Amino acid sequence: EVQLVQSGAEVKKPGESLKISCKGSGYTFTTYWIGWVRQMPGKGLEWMGIIYPGDSDTRYSPSFQGQVTISADKSITTAYLQWSSLKASDTAMYYCVREDIVATTVEYWGQGTLVTVSS
Amino acid sequence: QSALTQPPSASGSPGQSVTISCTGTSSDVGGYNYVSWYQQHPGKAPKLMIYEVSKRPSGVPDRFSGSKSGNTASLTVSGLQAEDEADYYCNSYAGSNNLLFGTGTKVTVL
Repeated sequence: EVQLVQSGAEVKKPGESLKISCKGSGYTFTTYWIGWVRQMPGKGLEWMGIIYPGDSDTRYSPSFQGQVTISADKSITTAYLQWSSLKASDTAMYYCVREDIVATTVEYWGQGTLVTVSS
Repeated sequence: QSALTQPPSASGSPGQSVTISCTGTSSDVGGYNYVSWYQQHPGKAPKLMIYEVSKRPSGVPDRFSGSKSGNTASLTVSGLQAEDEADYYCNSYAGSNNLLFGTGTKVTVL
């Protein structure tokens, strides 16, 4: 059974850095793209980007390029989403997702990590 | 890239059908047969309901069906049930390993 287990909720101040995680299990971690989807409070889903853990090839939505960093550690089957300087507008639920083998469909979702940025 | 366009809301009585549209461009919906649909209940993670325009994952009732014509995809829920009340999002492949979500539709069962 494919499982994506995300790290817990975070409360941060503007300007702080943050790295949230997602541990994949139940499949071969290095052969599927894994990524992140944002959902701001009361709003829709936004695809942020993905990484191929086998070779660390990373793709970003134009809307998120340069705003976040996606990485993965295949030795512990974990993907990460990182901010160097958080803004209040980064407050959202972040879902870890695993795409299908050809990276055209989000097949599996993590439980979500709520990030709150407030002074 | 702009989000795919969905109607904000749709509704139907139990047993009726509701159809949700998802309009994109020739660079996404119209260019590939990789449209998927997700159901999201309040406070829950989304769930895959349809992939590759019209295919259903194991366990999804056959009341859910998908189709596409040109730059517009559609999700139809037949025989509406109370548990179908949720937000629904379409998604399309948009080239270069990019995916694009729709704006979302709130389905209400009257």
